[in-house]
Amino acid sequence: GAVVSQHPSRVICKSGTSVKIECRSLDFQATTMFWYRQFPKQSLMLMATSNEGSKATYEQGVEKDKFLINHASLTLSTLTVTSAHPEDSSFYICSAVDLRNTDTQYFGPGTRLTVL
Amino acid sequence: SQQGEEDPQALSIQEGENATMNCSYKTSINNLQWYRQNSGRGLVHLILIRSNEREKHSGRLRVTLDTSKKSSSLLITASRAADTASYFCATDYYGNNRLAFGKGNQVVVIP
Repeated sequence: GAVVSQHPSRVICKSGTSVKIECRSLDFQATTMFWYRQFPKQSLMLMATSNEGSKATYEQGVEKDKFLINHASLTLSTLTVTSAHPEDSSFYICSAVDLRNTDTQYFGPGTRLTVL
Repeated sequence: SQQGEEDPQALSIQEGENATMNCSYKTSINNLQWYRQNSGRGLVHLILIRSNEREKHSGRLRVTLDTSKKSSSLLITASRAADTASYFCATDYYGNNRLAFGKGNQVVVIP
């Protein structure tokens, strides 16, 4: 099956620093990737759609200046949490849509962000 | 608010038993998907059922869709300890593959 990776899997940072999370589709191309966040024991909430070659589109209530998204190639999207604060601590998960089968999203393993 | 909503269940069953969980949604859909998430991990796609389908099977999984009631169910037959996970339904609520997830059902299968 299609594989999506995320890096890093875990990150701990100090308040005020920025953290970059990478999402890669390893064996397929994806013009569209999505970023979700998940709080403990809760569901996934869609944050934004990452579009290759164009600006990301953000869901209502998500600060675009806080969560910078760059989709530089057909296999890589990055999410940068800028000036992170403890309330940004969460599990961030990306997904990618295979160009050859747009019905299914393939999810990365997630990144656990802890802001001290 | 999220589109898909499971009954907030935490199921604890013995290995070999069947596990059933439900999901309801609010507006019309093109398809509904079920995912599994092991603790602290990403999601694994289990099955997709389209709006014109009523039932679908995949191995030990059986999914039903009732568009008149705007609900779906996931049945896992002959459960195994490895089935212990959280299960989410998701719909293309926002359009363009932007998924809305339900609350999730935590299933624990006791060996």
